[in-house]
Parts: sequence; C-alpha cells; structure tokens
Amino acid sequence: DGGITQSPKYLFRKEGQNVTLSCEQNLNHDAMYWYRQDPGQGLRLIYYSQIVNDFQKGDIAEGYSVSREKKESFPLTVTSAQKNPTAFYLCASSTVLAANYNEQFFGPGTRLTVL
Amino acid sequence: QKEVEQNSGPLSVPEGAIASLNCTYSDRGSQSFFWYRQYSGKSPELIMFIYSNGDKEDGRFTAQLNKASQYVSLLIRDSQPSDSATYLCAVNSGYSTLTFGKGTMLLVSP
Repeated sequence: DGGITQSPKYLFRKEGQNVTLSCEQNLNHDAMYWYRQDPGQGLRLIYYSQIVNDFQKGDIAEGYSVSREKKESFPLTVTSAQKNPTAFYLCASSTVLAANYNEQFFGPGTRLTVL
Repeated sequence: QKEVEQNSGPLSVPEGAIASLNCTYSDRGSQSFFWYRQYSGKSPELIMFIYSNGDKEDGRFTAQLNKASQYVSLLIRDSQPSDSATYLCAVNSGYSTLTFGKGTMLLVSP
C-alpha cells in the first residue's frame, strides 16, 4: 500500500525545545517537500529536496532544518529559533520526470502546538 | 515574488448546481496548474491538473486554462454536499516547486 506517512499526528512543544517531524514515502519519488499551513492561509514552502543528500531552502526556511540521507525519508526539525511554530505541517513528494510537470502528493500532516 | 490569487469565499451553491472556482497567477512562464481539495483538518488531495490551454474534463470536474489571461478555473458540475471543502490552486514555480493560493471555501447546501 503505497503512500506518504507523517508522524506524529499531533505534537506539543514547550518553548525553547527542538522537535523533529517524520516523513516517509514508499512511492519511489525522488523529490520531497515540507510545507507549513496557518489557519486561513495557503501552503508555504519550507524546504525541498530533489535528490538524496541535497536540499534547498523554500520561502520560509528560517528556524527549520532538514536532512535527506535516504530517498524514502525527509525529516523536518523545528528549532527554538522558529518564533511562531504553531501550525499544520505537511510533507509531500513527487517524481522528477520533468521539472515543470510534477504532481505533488501529500501526507496526512502533523499539527504542532507550542505550549 | 510569484503570486497565486483566489477569492477566499465562501462560495455557496445549492446541491446539483455548477460551482465555479477561479484562480489568477502572476508568473507568465508557469507551465503546469493544479487543483487540490482540502477538507477541514485534513491534508490536500490532488483532483485535477492541466498543462495546455483549453478545457480538461474528469468526471464532474472540468479545469480550464487561459495562459494569455493568466487564469485557471475549476468547474464542478452537479455539486454535492460532499464537495464542501477548500479548493487550493497551485502553479508550478520552477525546479519542481509549486506556489499555492490561499484557497476558496466551497459550501454546497442540500
């Protein structure tokens, strides 16, 4: 059963703590993405990776870090430097057959709340 | 800054009517366009994509693209209460990335 999994579904963080959100896919997709969604807002790109051991900053990368050691996995760390981390975090993946024609498929999301 | 604009709504239609959702984009070089449906509290689900000018039909859904006007729309025929959701327009912005609009909320009343 192919798909994208994210864990945990809900996460609570105290101020000053780093937390890591998991994203795994078994679709054999090359590219993976992290987005943040705030209430009433569209999705904003945090980081993306098109190949193992390489990743690029998106529009709102400050306060976040990622790694891509395996094709299947793209974890996101929300650091204490991120001042307003409460949001819905979405992971997506796509093939990279042609640069401008990639449908992205989303995982179920992680809802992060800072206490 | 590449922008994708959508009317936030809500767009209210009666059951059985046609719902028309609209989206404009700023980057004239964009080549692919996507519509996602997002139910409250859930992740976006891809429902349509379109690459060429004109219409593309898939069941009750029709995507329309006009690159000259930088305009893409989604028509939902025979709208059902289960179609009530937020519809996100996304436009490719290079290097396999997408720029998303803020979404239009659709409410279909029985």
